[in-house]
Amino acid sequence: DTEVTQTPKHLVMGMTNKKSLKCEQHMGHRAMYWYKQKAKKPPELMFVYSYEKLSINESVPSRFSPECPNSSLLNLHLHALQPEDSALYLCASSQERDPGFGGVGNYEQYFGPGTRLTVT
Amino acid sequence: QKEVEQNSGPLSVPEGAIASLNCTYSDRGSQSFFWYRQYSGKSPELIMSIYSNGDKEDGRFTAQLNKASQYVSLLIRDSQPSDSATYLCALRPFGNEKLTFGTGTRLTIIP
Repeated sequence: DTEVTQTPKHLVMGMTNKKSLKCEQHMGHRAMYWYKQKAKKPPELMFVYSYEKLSINESVPSRFSPECPNSSLLNLHLHALQPEDSALYLCASSQERDPGFGGVGNYEQYFGPGTRLTVT
Repeated sequence: QKEVEQNSGPLSVPEGAIASLNCTYSDRGSQSFFWYRQYSGKSPELIMSIYSNGDKEDGRFTAQLNKASQYVSLLIRDSQPSDSATYLCALRPFGNEKLTFGTGTRLTIIP
């Protein structure tokens, strides 16, 4: 099973609202990611959590605040967003298994279905 | 030069033919390579990963990697209309948690 779940599927929020996106995986994956994707563009990395610690922040504005409460959950808290923040927000996870002697690692990232966010 | 280059397409292929998607990259330290399929309005779906030079087959899909020439390709045999999607090439350098994506190739299978 390679399922990553995300809630909500759709979210409409005003520029003064506070909302949160949620992501969950039960595959024992060690790393979890937040991406933002605009139409006809590839996913753009926002944050990486490795072993529940923030390891990469791609200079994301502070109105996006990630949180990793435990190894299975990832949240993205949203506050004072702008209309240009409207996009598909994707969560992903990966096992991050390093290769053993003579072996092959496993760095496959699996995406959740995404949250379609509209900021009005 | 972009880190990962893909022909944006659209690439049109008749049903039943072989679709060939190509990707070149500039970082020789890249270790892991992935192909994702993305239907319009949906999230990317991992269809192939390849880590070593050569071919890797999975059903109708074959990934080919040539690290010396810095390219990775995806062949889809017996193309079906359901294969119509955007295909994203992605790679990951050794010791780096970041995936670098190409801009994607839009594939259309013509019935």
